[in-house]
Amino acid sequence: DQQVKQNSPSLSVQEGRISILNCDYTNSMFDYFLWYKKYPAEGPTFLISISSIKDKNEDGRFTVFLNKSAKHLSLHIVPSQPGDSAVYFCAASMVNDYKLSFGAGTTVTVRA
Amino acid sequence: DVKVTQSSRYLVKRTGEKVFLECVQDMDHENMFWYRQDPGLGLRLIYFSYDVKMKEKGDIPEGYSVSREKKERFSLILESASTNQTSMYLCASTINRAAFFGQGTRLTVV
Repeated sequence: DQQVKQNSPSLSVQEGRISILNCDYTNSMFDYFLWYKKYPAEGPTFLISISSIKDKNEDGRFTVFLNKSAKHLSLHIVPSQPGDSAVYFCAASMVNDYKLSFGAGTTVTVRA
Repeated sequence: DVKVTQSSRYLVKRTGEKVFLECVQDMDHENMFWYRQDPGLGLRLIYFSYDVKMKEKGDIPEGYSVSREKKERFSLILESASTNQTSMYLCASTINRAAFFGQGTRLTVV
């Protein structure tokens, strides 16, 4: 049973606009959340993370929001650029555990 | 920069062959992982290791084994390759709860 869910398999956005990727989780023991970006035929690249003691973390064009009560997090990319076209994975881990549980991924396409 | 290197980018093997996928990290990390990525399923954990000669099963260990004789090297072994093991295999090591991945090995079993 998948504990991390990305319900939107794909997202298309115009260059310069905001991309919003969503992720839901079911395990209340998760306390650390990460987003990864993956190009075809390459390994995932770490983007940004957030601890459960925070509700927002920002790094340049990327912001992650965490709503613990709803067990929901989102990644905002502003502004979207053509190089952002990739698959984005949401991941989570539990306290004192280094294993990551991943969602199925969302393919983002940024249109010129 | 963290460097995780997988020995092959692409592999084609025959059904029934024993297959070795090698992974090396250069950051002295204790924790190493093997995942496979399949469309619509995300990344699924096969095996992991928190120390030399230590190994733990992940979510989908059937048909696989691992070896960790040295801290920097974590090998994934397909004992008898089958077509349903055709996939992208990803090795990772972790620091501060973030995993850093190798470039992946696209394995095709024919």
